[in-house]
Amino acid sequence: GDSVTQMEGPVTLSEEAFLTINCTYTATGYPSLFWYVQYPGEGLQLLLKATKADDKGSNKGFEATYRKETTSFHLEKGSVQVSDSAVYFCALGPGGSYIPTFGRGTSLIVHP
Amino acid sequence: DAGITQSPRYKITETGRQVTLMCHQTWSHSYMFWYRQDLGHGLRLIYYSAAADITDKGEVPDGYVVSRSKTENFPLTLESATRSQTSVYFCASIGGGGIAEAFFGQGTRLTVV
Repeated sequence: GDSVTQMEGPVTLSEEAFLTINCTYTATGYPSLFWYVQYPGEGLQLLLKATKADDKGSNKGFEATYRKETTSFHLEKGSVQVSDSAVYFCALGPGGSYIPTFGRGTSLIVHP
Repeated sequence: DAGITQSPRYKITETGRQVTLMCHQTWSHSYMFWYRQDLGHGLRLIYYSAAADITDKGEVPDGYVVSRSKTENFPLTLESATRSQTSVYFCASIGGGGIAEAFFGQGTRLTVV
């Protein structure tokens, strides 16, 4: 079945550091790919998405490129801020059953 | 207000009691989901629904019951709460028709004592 693997956290960075959170997937067909962010005490919200190979999703300085050849969708940001501290979830789909597949989440902690 | 809302935000209940968590969405989205979030487990799907009166089990359905008599509401009931059901519960919806983004509620933090 479909699955998403993302790097375990927590990822701890200093403000203005470069961020990469790795995400790889296994899926049949050509799913849409998503990154969701969960701030403390809140639900998940969409950060960015890409719907086909080589698409780049971007939002709030974050970027991710849909790489079909490596089945990856790594999240990057050039200069993180304290306010980016959150849990980030990579996700697939949904597929034909309309059930999205989520990774386990990666906690990001940014220190001043 | 448009969106997806959960109630209550916080709930403490005793072992053995029945408790219902509410979820309401204003978009008439077809698909709705209940997840629980626990440290070390990420999000785990409890139940989902493709439309009114159509529900199905997810990964961890035991001890939970759902209903969906109206498109906009998807309540989750713990029939006899246990301490292992202490968790944060999230409701989500997806529109269908090519709208693949999931919209989440704010969550309900449930503690079973």
